Amino acid sequence: DQQVKQNSPSLSVQEGRISILNCDYTNSMFDYFLWYKKYPAEGPTFLISISSIKDKNEDGRFTVFLNKSAKHLSLHIVPSQPGDSAVYFCAASGGSQGNLIFGKGTKLSVKP
Amino acid sequence: EAGVTQSPTHLIKTRGQQATLRCSPISGHTSVYWYQQALGLGLQFLLWYDEGEERNRGNFPPRFSGRQFPNYSSELNVNALELEDSALYLCASSLGGRSYEQYFGPGTRLTVT
Repeated sequence: DQQVKQNSPSLSVQEGRISILNCDYTNSMFDYFLWYKKYPAEGPTFLISISSIKDKNEDGRFTVFLNKSAKHLSLHIVPSQPGDSAVYFCAASGGSQGNLIFGKGTKLSVKP
Repeated sequence: EAGVTQSPTHLIKTRGQQATLRCSPISGHTSVYWYQQALGLGLQFLLWYDEGEERNRGNFPPRFSGRQFPNYSSELNVNALELEDSALYLCASSLGGRSYEQYFGPGTRLTVT
């Protein structure tokens, strides 16, 4: 049973435009959410996070939005750059567990 | 500051053998996590160590085990290797307790033939 879902396996965006990556979760106990970026043959790199007490967190070109009632979060990248092309993973944590639960990832391609 | 390091980068083993993977966390981090990323799948949680103790375990058989040393480095052992154990094994570290932000190493690619 997938507790964290990224329903779009891939997304293609033009350079300079906005990229929106989506993530849904099912477990109400999750209270912290993170986004990671992964290049091939490398480990995931932490991008941005949000606590469940907030609905928005911004860091430069990256903004994460959290809609608790819909159990949905999204990552906005503005403006998108070719170097942003990678696989993006959504992750969640909460309750007594310390580990992160990951989605299966969305492959973002930013075309020049 | 050095990031999380893992060794070896690649490991090739035969079915039935044992594999040992190593991880050194970021200096000051006391928690170490192990994840498996098999082909076409997301990251699956394996083990969490904090202050030398196993704190949580994912849905993997007992032949996946590990330990954390006094210097907070960690070892993952996989016994009786099976073909489906072929995957990228990722180690992450964080500040102790329930610090949410985990920082990953580059991974060890394990191939079982």
